[in-house]
Amino acid sequence: QQQVKQSPQSLIVQKGGISIINCAYENTAFDYFPWYQQFPGKGPALLIAIRPDVSEKKEGRFTISFNKSAKQFSLHIMDSQPGDSATYFCAASMLSNTGKLIFGQGTTLQVKP
Amino acid sequence: AAGVIQSPRHLIKEKRETATLKCYPIPRHDTVYWYQQGPGQDPQFLISFYEKMQSDKGSIPDRFSAQQFSDYHSELNMSSLELGDSALYFCASSLQGQHSPLHFGNGTRLTVT
Repeated sequence: QQQVKQSPQSLIVQKGGISIINCAYENTAFDYFPWYQQFPGKGPALLIAIRPDVSEKKEGRFTISFNKSAKQFSLHIMDSQPGDSATYFCAASMLSNTGKLIFGQGTTLQVKP
Repeated sequence: AAGVIQSPRHLIKEKRETATLKCYPIPRHDTVYWYQQGPGQDPQFLISFYEKMQSDKGSIPDRFSAQQFSDYHSELNMSSLELGDSALYFCASSLQGQHSPLHFGNGTRLTVT
């Protein structure tokens, strides 16, 4: 049973476009929602994270939108660049144990030049 | 900045053999986590240690064991290896109780033949 569901599985975006990846979670006890970026042969690297007491968080070109009532959150990548081509994972955990992450299935993003 | 160091990067073993994976956390990080990522899959939490004591356990097979040493490095021991154990094994570290983000190493790719 996948506790965190992520879509789409793959995404192709033109350079300069907006990439949008969506996630939904089941467990209402989750209160920490990070996004990780993973390049081939590398470990996941934290991009940005949000807590449910805010509805949006922005860091540079990356924005998380959070909808607590719908139990959904999404990552928006503005002005997508070829260097953003990677696999993106959403995840969820509890603030009391932010290291025990439940990951989504991942989205492979390809940004075409 | 120092990152999480894992060794070896690649390991090839035969069925029924044993394997030992090592992890050196970021200096001053006191908590270590192990994750398993199958081909095309999301990372799955295996086990974690805080101050040399097991702090949480996930979907880790009984054939696997792990420990954290006095210098905070950790080792994942895998016995009676099966073909299905072929995966990327990531170690991650953080500061316990600080709501600190998880920092992943670049993983050990284990191939069981």
